[in-house]
Amino acid sequence: DIQMTQSPSSVSASVGDRVTITCRASQGISSWLAWYQQKPGKAPKLLIYAASRLQSGVPSRFSGSGSGTDFTLTISSLQPEDFATYYCQQANSFPITFGQGTRLEIK
Amino acid sequence: QVQLVESGGGVVQPGRSLRVSCAASGFIFSSYDMHWVRQAPGKGLEWVADIWYDGSNKYYTDSVKGRFTISRDNSKNTLYLQMNSLRAEDTAVYYCARVTEFSFDNWGQGTLVTVSS
Repeated sequence: DIQMTQSPSSVSASVGDRVTITCRASQGISSWLAWYQQKPGKAPKLLIYAASRLQSGVPSRFSGSGSGTDFTLTISSLQPEDFATYYCQQANSFPITFGQGTRLEIK
Repeated sequence: QVQLVESGGGVVQPGRSLRVSCAASGFIFSSYDMHWVRQAPGKGLEWVADIWYDGSNKYYTDSVKGRFTISRDNSKNTLYLQMNSLRAEDTAVYYCARVTEFSFDNWGQGTLVTVSS
Protein backbone atom coordinates (compact mmCIF):
# COMPACT_ATOMS: atom_id res chain seq x y z
CA ASP A 1 0.00 0.00 0.00
CA ILE A 2 1.09 3.57 -0.67
CA GLN A 3 1.43 5.57 2.54
CA MET A 4 0.57 9.26 2.43
CA THR A 5 2.21 11.45 5.07
CA GLN A 6 1.07 15.02 5.62
CA SER A 7 2.93 17.72 7.47
CA PRO A 8 2.33 19.46 9.66
CA SER A 9 -0.43 17.61 11.50
CA SER A 10 -1.75 20.93 12.70
CA VAL A 11 -0.93 24.57 12.07
CA SER A 12 -2.08 27.84 13.57
CA ALA A 13 -2.32 30.86 11.30
CA SER A 14 -4.02 34.23 10.98
CA VAL A 15 -6.36 35.65 8.40
CA GLY A 16 -4.27 36.90 5.49
CA ASP A 17 -1.38 34.50 6.09
CA ARG A 18 0.09 32.27 3.43
CA VAL A 19 -0.03 28.60 4.43
CA THR A 20 1.60 25.56 2.84
CA ILE A 21 0.75 21.95 3.63
CA THR A 22 2.90 19.13 2.32
CA CYS A 23 2.06 15.55 1.42
CA ARG A 24 4.63 12.85 0.77
CA ALA A 25 3.88 9.51 -0.88
CA SER A 26 5.84 6.39 0.07
CA GLN A 27 6.35 5.69 -3.64
CA GLY A 28 5.89 7.61 -6.85
CA ILE A 29 2.31 8.42 -7.81
CA SER A 30 2.94 10.63 -10.85
CA SER A 31 0.33 13.41 -10.54
CA TRP A 32 -2.49 11.26 -9.19
CA LEU A 33 -3.06 13.36 -6.12
CA ALA A 34 -6.06 15.27 -4.83
CA TRP A 35 -6.63 17.66 -1.93
CA TYR A 36 -9.81 17.97 0.14
CA GLN A 37 -11.13 20.38 2.74
CA GLN A 38 -13.37 19.12 5.52
CA LYS A 39 -15.25 21.17 8.09
CA PRO A 40 -16.70 19.63 11.28
CA GLY A 41 -19.81 17.56 10.64
CA LYS A 42 -19.56 17.99 6.88
CA ALA A 43 -18.47 15.86 3.96
CA PRO A 44 -15.06 16.54 2.41
CA LYS A 45 -14.90 18.98 -0.49
CA LEU A 46 -12.59 18.54 -3.46
CA LEU A 47 -10.17 21.45 -3.90
CA ILE A 48 -7.40 20.23 -6.21
CA TYR A 49 -7.16 17.21 -8.50
CA ALA A 50 -4.35 15.84 -10.66
CA ALA A 51 -1.93 17.56 -8.23
CA SER A 52 -2.41 21.08 -9.57
CA ARG A 53 -5.80 21.45 -11.24
CA LEU A 54 -8.28 23.67 -9.42
CA GLN A 55 -11.75 22.17 -9.03
CA SER A 56 -14.53 24.29 -10.48
CA GLY A 57 -15.87 26.83 -8.02
CA VAL A 58 -12.85 26.70 -5.69
CA PRO A 59 -11.25 30.11 -5.00
CA SER A 60 -7.99 30.81 -6.79
CA ARG A 61 -6.16 31.39 -3.49
CA PHE A 62 -5.89 27.59 -3.34
CA SER A 63 -3.15 26.02 -5.44
CA GLY A 64 -1.41 22.68 -5.67
CA SER A 65 1.94 21.55 -6.99
CA GLY A 66 4.25 18.57 -7.14
CA SER A 67 4.66 15.23 -8.82
CA GLY A 68 6.19 11.88 -8.02
CA THR A 69 6.37 11.70 -4.23
CA ASP A 70 6.24 15.29 -2.96
CA PHE A 71 3.22 17.58 -3.16
CA THR A 72 2.08 20.86 -1.65
CA LEU A 73 -1.19 22.65 -1.09
CA THR A 74 -0.86 26.42 -0.71
CA ILE A 75 -3.45 28.89 0.47
CA SER A 76 -2.15 32.30 -0.59
CA SER A 77 -4.16 34.51 1.79
CA LEU A 78 -6.17 32.77 4.48
CA GLN A 79 -9.83 33.67 4.80
CA PRO A 80 -12.00 32.94 7.86
CA GLU A 81 -13.83 30.16 6.01
CA ASP A 82 -10.55 28.32 5.29
CA PHE A 83 -10.07 27.10 8.86
CA ALA A 84 -10.72 23.38 8.50
CA THR A 85 -8.95 20.04 8.13
CA TYR A 86 -7.18 19.24 4.86
CA TYR A 87 -6.49 15.79 3.41
CA CYS A 88 -4.41 14.57 0.50
CA GLN A 89 -5.37 11.41 -1.40
CA GLN A 90 -3.55 9.26 -3.93
CA ALA A 91 -5.30 7.51 -6.79
CA ASN A 92 -2.27 5.94 -8.45
CA SER A 93 -3.10 2.44 -7.25
CA PHE A 94 -5.43 0.46 -5.04
CA PRO A 95 -6.01 0.69 -2.20
CA ILE A 96 -6.71 4.38 -2.48
CA THR A 97 -5.15 6.07 0.54
CA PHE A 98 -5.47 9.39 2.31
CA GLY A 99 -3.06 11.38 4.39
CA GLN A 100 -3.79 11.62 8.10
CA GLY A 101 -5.03 15.20 7.79
CA THR A 102 -3.76 18.68 8.64
CA ARG A 103 -5.85 20.76 11.00
CA LEU A 104 -5.67 24.48 10.19
CA GLU A 105 -6.56 26.55 13.24
CA ILE A 106 -6.98 30.21 13.91
CA LYS A 107 -4.05 31.84 15.74
CA GLN B 1 -27.12 19.67 -9.57
CA VAL B 2 -25.35 16.51 -8.44
CA GLN B 3 -26.89 15.04 -5.33
CA LEU B 4 -25.89 11.94 -3.35
CA VAL B 5 -28.04 10.93 -0.40
CA GLU B 6 -27.02 8.07 1.87
CA SER B 7 -29.43 6.15 4.07
CA GLY B 8 -29.65 2.98 6.10
CA GLY B 9 -27.21 3.70 8.91
CA GLY B 10 -27.96 2.89 12.52
CA VAL B 11 -26.91 0.90 15.55
CA VAL B 12 -26.15 -2.78 14.98
CA GLN B 13 -24.70 -5.50 17.18
CA PRO B 14 -21.27 -7.01 16.45
CA GLY B 15 -21.50 -9.89 14.00
CA ARG B 16 -24.75 -8.66 12.47
CA SER B 17 -25.41 -7.20 9.02
CA LEU B 18 -26.51 -3.85 7.63
CA ARG B 19 -27.01 -2.41 4.16
CA VAL B 20 -26.48 1.26 3.43
CA SER B 21 -27.67 2.93 0.25
CA CYS B 22 -26.80 6.02 -1.75
CA ALA B 23 -29.41 7.58 -4.03
CA ALA B 24 -27.91 9.59 -6.87
CA SER B 25 -29.48 12.35 -8.93
CA GLY B 26 -28.49 15.24 -11.18
CA PHE B 27 -26.07 13.28 -13.35
CA ILE B 28 -25.90 10.16 -15.50
CA PHE B 29 -25.25 7.66 -12.71
CA SER B 30 -24.48 4.78 -15.08
CA SER B 31 -21.51 6.68 -16.53
CA TYR B 32 -19.52 7.02 -13.31
CA ASP B 33 -17.46 4.80 -11.04
CA MET B 34 -18.65 5.12 -7.46
CA HIS B 35 -16.92 4.61 -4.12
CA TRP B 36 -17.58 4.28 -0.42
CA VAL B 37 -15.32 6.16 2.00
CA ARG B 38 -15.68 6.01 5.78
CA GLN B 39 -14.59 8.10 8.71
CA ALA B 40 -14.45 6.76 12.25
CA PRO B 41 -15.42 9.27 14.97
CA GLY B 42 -12.66 11.84 15.36
CA LYS B 43 -10.44 10.09 12.81
CA GLY B 44 -9.34 10.56 9.21
CA LEU B 45 -10.76 9.36 5.93
CA GLU B 46 -10.51 5.70 4.89
CA TRP B 47 -11.35 4.40 1.44
CA VAL B 48 -13.60 1.30 1.59
CA ALA B 49 -14.70 0.12 -1.85
CA ASP B 50 -15.03 0.97 -5.53
CA ILE B 51 -17.38 -0.21 -8.26
CA TRP B 52 -17.02 0.52 -11.94
CA TYR B 53 -19.73 2.41 -13.82
CA ASP B 54 -21.20 -0.82 -15.19
CA GLY B 55 -20.62 -2.96 -12.10
CA SER B 56 -18.08 -5.13 -13.90
CA ASN B 57 -15.24 -4.57 -11.45
CA LYS B 58 -15.10 -4.06 -7.71
CA TYR B 59 -12.25 -3.30 -5.33
CA TYR B 60 -12.07 -3.34 -1.54
CA THR B 61 -9.74 -2.33 1.23
CA ASP B 62 -8.23 -5.38 2.92
CA SER B 63 -10.03 -4.91 6.24
CA VAL B 64 -13.48 -5.40 4.63
CA LYS B 65 -12.71 -8.03 1.99
CA GLY B 66 -14.99 -11.02 2.37
CA ARG B 67 -17.36 -9.10 4.68
CA PHE B 68 -18.56 -6.12 2.63
CA THR B 69 -20.05 -6.11 -0.86
CA ILE B 70 -20.45 -3.03 -3.03
CA SER B 71 -23.14 -3.10 -5.70
CA ARG B 72 -25.24 -0.77 -7.79
CA ASP B 73 -28.56 -0.66 -9.60
CA ASN B 74 -28.21 1.70 -12.52
CA SER B 75 -31.93 1.48 -13.27
CA LYS B 76 -32.60 2.95 -9.81
CA ASN B 77 -29.57 5.29 -9.71
CA THR B 78 -28.59 3.72 -6.41
CA LEU B 79 -25.34 2.50 -4.89
CA TYR B 80 -25.25 -0.04 -2.06
CA LEU B 81 -22.86 -1.35 0.55
CA GLN B 82 -23.82 -4.64 2.16
CA MET B 83 -21.91 -5.04 5.42
CA ASN B 84 -21.78 -8.46 7.09
CA SER B 85 -19.99 -9.69 10.19
CA LEU B 86 -19.74 -6.15 11.48
CA ARG B 87 -17.10 -5.28 14.04
CA ALA B 88 -16.70 -2.42 16.48
CA GLU B 89 -13.93 -1.01 14.28
CA ASP B 90 -16.43 -0.61 11.42
CA THR B 91 -18.14 2.17 13.39
CA ALA B 92 -17.94 5.24 11.18
CA VAL B 93 -19.75 7.71 9.00
CA TYR B 94 -20.04 6.11 5.57
CA TYR B 95 -19.91 8.44 2.57
CA CYS B 96 -20.65 7.60 -1.02
CA ALA B 97 -18.60 9.53 -3.54
CA ARG B 98 -18.49 9.99 -7.30
CA VAL B 99 -15.18 9.75 -9.11
CA THR B 100 -14.00 12.11 -11.83
CA GLU B 101 -10.37 12.47 -12.94
CA PHE B 102 -9.37 9.94 -10.25
CA SER B 103 -10.65 12.15 -7.46
CA PHE B 104 -13.87 12.30 -5.45
CA ASP B 105 -15.67 15.33 -6.88
CA ASN B 106 -19.03 14.87 -5.17
CA TRP B 107 -19.86 13.37 -1.79
CA GLY B 108 -23.04 12.55 0.07
CA GLN B 109 -23.75 13.87 3.54
CA GLY B 110 -22.85 10.51 5.11
CA THR B 111 -24.71 7.94 7.19
CA LEU B 112 -23.53 6.86 10.63
CA VAL B 113 -23.06 3.17 11.34
CA THR B 114 -22.48 2.27 14.98
CA VAL B 115 -21.49 -1.29 15.86
CA SER B 116 -22.13 -1.88 19.53
CA SER B 117 -23.72 -4.41 21.83
